[in-house]
Amino acid sequence: DAKTTQPPSMDCAEGRAANLPCNHSTISGNEYVYWYRQIHSQGPQYIIHGLKNNETNEMASLIITEDRKSSTLILPHATLRDTAVYYCIVRVEGKFYFGSGTKLNVKP
Amino acid sequence: NAGVMQNPRHLVRRRGQEARLRCSPMKGHSHVYWYRQLPEEGLKFMVYLQKENIIDESGMPKERFSAEFPKEGPSILRIQQVVRGDSAAYFCASSPGWDRSGNTIYFGEGSWLTVV
Repeated sequence: DAKTTQPPSMDCAEGRAANLPCNHSTISGNEYVYWYRQIHSQGPQYIIHGLKNNETNEMASLIITEDRKSSTLILPHATLRDTAVYYCIVRVEGKFYFGSGTKLNVKP
Repeated sequence: NAGVMQNPRHLVRRRGQEARLRCSPMKGHSHVYWYRQLPEEGLKFMVYLQKENIIDESGMPKERFSAEFPKEGPSILRIQQVVRGDSAAYFCASSPGWDRSGNTIYFGEGSWLTVV
């Protein structure tokens, strides 16, 4: 079962940064944090993952706290196409367990 | 490099019939996952397979559902004697394998099963 908790929904203005939080207080030392998103009726799309250090790619940045009990996904300039459900996942024994995710609504 | 391919994309079955969903992983990937998503719900893990081997099927219903990933060909998720409650989107994902270096899994676009 999912080892993460996320707020059910968030709003963000178009062009502004979207900061999506995730709690994973029971994470083990060698378990990675992954972020995926699912746009309506499509397959989940990989965004980013990390272990300890902050990570950045062309889509987003991932900030992991020093104690690794929480993390934040940052979309630096949200667009209307970023409206989706965002899932924070801790991989357990090779498996990805999806929680309920955060529904991000990007508004004009 | 083609992504994860699933077919059929949409399947309609009458109650009691069998449904077979196929998944071809990305090139070079030897591990396959199946997930089910009921309407308005999140993805639920079903089964994790390696070629010719089931690694973890803890999320599979005990009856009517089976999965395989043969040495040659796609992975198959088979649902026998379908009922209306089986109506859902079934997503397949693949990865090169699992180790502690943080391999990512990539999803297909899903197969939508409707039982009438």
